[in-house]
Amino acid sequence: NAGVTQTPKFRILKIGQSMTLQCAQDMNHNYMYWYRQDPGMGLKLIYYSVGAGITDKGEVPNGYNVSRSTTEDFPLRLELAAPSQTSVYFCATGRPEETQYFGPGTRLLVL
Amino acid sequence: AQKITQTQPGMFVQEKEAVTLDCTYDTSDQSYGLFWYKQPSSGEMIFLIYQGSYDEQNATEGRYSLNFQKARKSANLVISASQLGDSAMYFCAMVPRTSGGSNYKLTFGKGTLLTVNP
Repeated sequence: NAGVTQTPKFRILKIGQSMTLQCAQDMNHNYMYWYRQDPGMGLKLIYYSVGAGITDKGEVPNGYNVSRSTTEDFPLRLELAAPSQTSVYFCATGRPEETQYFGPGTRLLVL
Repeated sequence: AQKITQTQPGMFVQEKEAVTLDCTYDTSDQSYGLFWYKQPSSGEMIFLIYQGSYDEQNATEGRYSLNFQKARKSANLVISASQLGDSAMYFCAMVPRTSGGSNYKLTFGKGTLLTVNP
């Protein structure tokens, strides 16, 4: 039981490049979330999903896209990377009224 | 909208002593949940403790307890008998539990960096 896994662990992008951050969970939760954490700050919600085929915007969705074709996977797509997207990205799963289980994070540097 | 305020950017405590990390929140929801997470230097987010707004007793989990004062909208974390391994960033967070479109969003504070001195 791996919980929540994220790949890659670290990535350097050039401005304007695109990439997909992968997230998978084996906890059979319907709810999944993407957060970003800027240096010295708390986490901010980018997108969330309440089940396969259903996604919605969080607090900071601009520059990102998501899809949810299965219960297990919730990839986050960055189009036209910008330096402002340099951050640590966390995927999480869990019912909203209970604790959320976080992946180990992906460190992204956009140069 | 929800807001979490953690007014202590950094705290120091001696090993084996207790420490309180402050958290105040603002919400118009009647039902909500409050969380504390620990983030060590390795970066992962570790769940510590949860308090529901209608829970009559303060939550406890081992050395962690949550001092919940609903009227003052505060949810302070108390760590007893601090250990060197408690040195980390601590985040307070909340989620509304009402029906509607916003009840899936966890709102985080900016965190408090706790340093435990030997």
